[in-house]
Amino acid sequence: DAEITQSPRHKITETGRQVTLACHQTWNHNNMFWYRQDLGHGLRLIHYSYGVQDTNKGEVSDGYSVSRSNTEDLPLTLESAASSQTSVYFCASSEGSSGADTQYFGPGTRLTVL
Amino acid sequence: GEDVEQSLFLSVREGDSSVINCTYTDSSSTYLYWYKQEPGAGLQLLTYIFSNMDMKQDQRLTVLLNKKDKHLSLRIADTQTGDSAIYFCAETPYYNTDKLIFGTGTRLQVFP
Repeated sequence: DAEITQSPRHKITETGRQVTLACHQTWNHNNMFWYRQDLGHGLRLIHYSYGVQDTNKGEVSDGYSVSRSNTEDLPLTLESAASSQTSVYFCASSEGSSGADTQYFGPGTRLTVL
Repeated sequence: GEDVEQSLFLSVREGDSSVINCTYTDSSSTYLYWYKQEPGAGLQLLTYIFSNMDMKQDQRLTVLLNKKDKHLSLRIADTQTGDSAIYFCAETPYYNTDKLIFGTGTRLQVFP
């Protein structure tokens, strides 16, 4: 069955370290998204991609970067982790269509920056 | 800009109906969605409604859309303990139907 996975599921790191969160989907979807979930804010979009070599900034992109070298993967990198980046991170993918475009979510990665 | 608001918490008795409300600001939204998040899991799509519809029913779920007031609601009939979760409404902005703007989420607690 097609799915979307994230790794690691939990990560503890120190301020200033570089961290990469992996996201892998087997739906063959064009669109992929990274969100962070924080209490009182819902889900906020960090970066998104509409296809290979395409990346776009979301509403909270500062301190994060992504790259899309193939259809299946969109890794999220925190260049120099900060305590404000402690959060739960969700990756999602969608087919991309002119109609209702369902996003399928991964299980999330809980990141703690000490 | 777009903004989607929800109340944070709702508590209902098992067997009663639950109504979760959402207000949004982008009157040009094309689709509006309801997602469910169970503890420790990602979000799962429950249902969606096209902006030219007033109502959509899917088994125990009823979605009502009031475009004039920019108000969306999700009614769950015969609420069960398994319905306990966080419910997010989301809209697609008119300029990009591939994006979703999420509300803050409503935590539904169902007690026996």
